[in-house]
Amino acid sequence: GNSVTQMEGPVTLSEEAFLTINCTYTATGYPSLFWYVQYPGEGLQLLLKATKADDKGSNKGFEATYRKETTSFHLEKGSVQVSDSAVYFCALSQLTSYGKLTFGQGTILTVHP
Amino acid sequence: DSGVTQTPKHLITATGQRVTLRCSPRSGDLSVYWYQQSLDQGLQFLIQYYNGEERAKGNILERFSAQQFPDLHSELNLSSLELGDSALYFCASSPRGLAGGGSTDTQYFGPGTRLTVL
Repeated sequence: GNSVTQMEGPVTLSEEAFLTINCTYTATGYPSLFWYVQYPGEGLQLLLKATKADDKGSNKGFEATYRKETTSFHLEKGSVQVSDSAVYFCALSQLTSYGKLTFGQGTILTVHP
Repeated sequence: DSGVTQTPKHLITATGQRVTLRCSPRSGDLSVYWYQQSLDQGLQFLIQYYNGEERAKGNILERFSAQQFPDLHSELNLSSLELGDSALYFCASSPRGLAGGGSTDTQYFGPGTRLTVL
């Protein structure tokens, strides 16, 4: 079946540091890949997505590239802010699964001033 | 604000009881998804409805059931509650959800209902 594996957390960084959160997946065919973010006390919101190999999703300074050869979708940001502190979820959706999302375990990011 | 509403925000009940969680999707969205978020299981897909019909089922217990009404709002019914059912329950909606198209759609999540079973 499908699965998503995220790097072990939590991640603690100083403001303006570089961020990488690793995500790898197992799926047949060509899934769509997503990063969702959950701020404290809120629901999930889409951060970015990529729907085919070599696509790069980007939003609010965050980027991730769909790498089919390494089955990865790592999230990066060049300079994090305190306001980026949240839980980040990598997820995939299969063509044959009516859009249901399979999530990774989530990575807690804390950014200190 | 995602446009998806969920009620109630918090629910505290006892073991053995039955509760109903309600979700209103974004205007125009035909698909509704239910997810459970718990510390030990993470985020798990429960069930999906598209335009009133059940389309996909995930790790949903037999004690749980859902439906989507003609006005497209959805309800998740949890019965014979156990301590382990305590979790955050999210509803999400998307425009489509059919095989071949819906897999690329963004899902918009509601704020969740926090269920505590004592």
